[in-house]
Amino acid sequence: EDQVTQSPEALRLQEGESSSLNCSYTVSGLRGLFWYRQDPGKGPEFLFTLYSAGEEKEKERLKATLTKKESFLHITAPKPEDSATYLCAVQSPYRDDKIIFGKGTRLHILP
Amino acid sequence: DAGVIQSPRHEVTEMGQEVTLRCKPISGHDYLFWYRQTMMRGLELLIYFNNNVPIDDSGMPEDRFSAKMPNASFSTLKIQPSEPRDSAVYFCASSPSLAGGTKPQHFGDGTRLSIL
Repeated sequence: EDQVTQSPEALRLQEGESSSLNCSYTVSGLRGLFWYRQDPGKGPEFLFTLYSAGEEKEKERLKATLTKKESFLHITAPKPEDSATYLCAVQSPYRDDKIIFGKGTRLHILP
Repeated sequence: DAGVIQSPRHEVTEMGQEVTLRCKPISGHDYLFWYRQTMMRGLELLIYFNNNVPIDDSGMPEDRFSAKMPNASFSTLKIQPSEPRDSAVYFCASSPSLAGGTKPQHFGDGTRLSIL
């Protein structure tokens, strides 16, 4: 069964303390892996798409990487405004391109 | 550019009442998706449309749920009769055609539904 597992469920960091969020996936064929950011009371906001193992994408303090079994979202020197829930999702052509979401990691950056 | 617009933002109603959620996708997007989000189950796909035609409704929990897309700029998700276990945040999302490669989905800010 295709599934996406994110860890940890929640993470508290001090401002400036770098860390990584994990997304492990099992899918029959990967068309793309997505990272989204979700703020309280808002819909998920698209961050990155990764297509193949070894690919990396960066945006400000965030860098996403992809292997054949997992993806990491690295957060370098985070600021309080980076606090949010980060969602990982995968898309497979063998599932009619439906997107499967993980349950997310709630990230809280303390000033 | 206007994003995906959902209404109402909040809905509180009593069990047994009919609930209608509304969505206006981004202009030019071919795909429209309805999701439900809860703490226990995360984001679950309920149904999606391509060019106004329902493609997959296997995520719709039961016959009490129905969705329509009468034109390219409007969709509704209806629950009749509503039950307390339907309480959740319902999101609408849209994306361009998949031709040429995968495209990310763009989400509205959701409707927070509470069934008393």
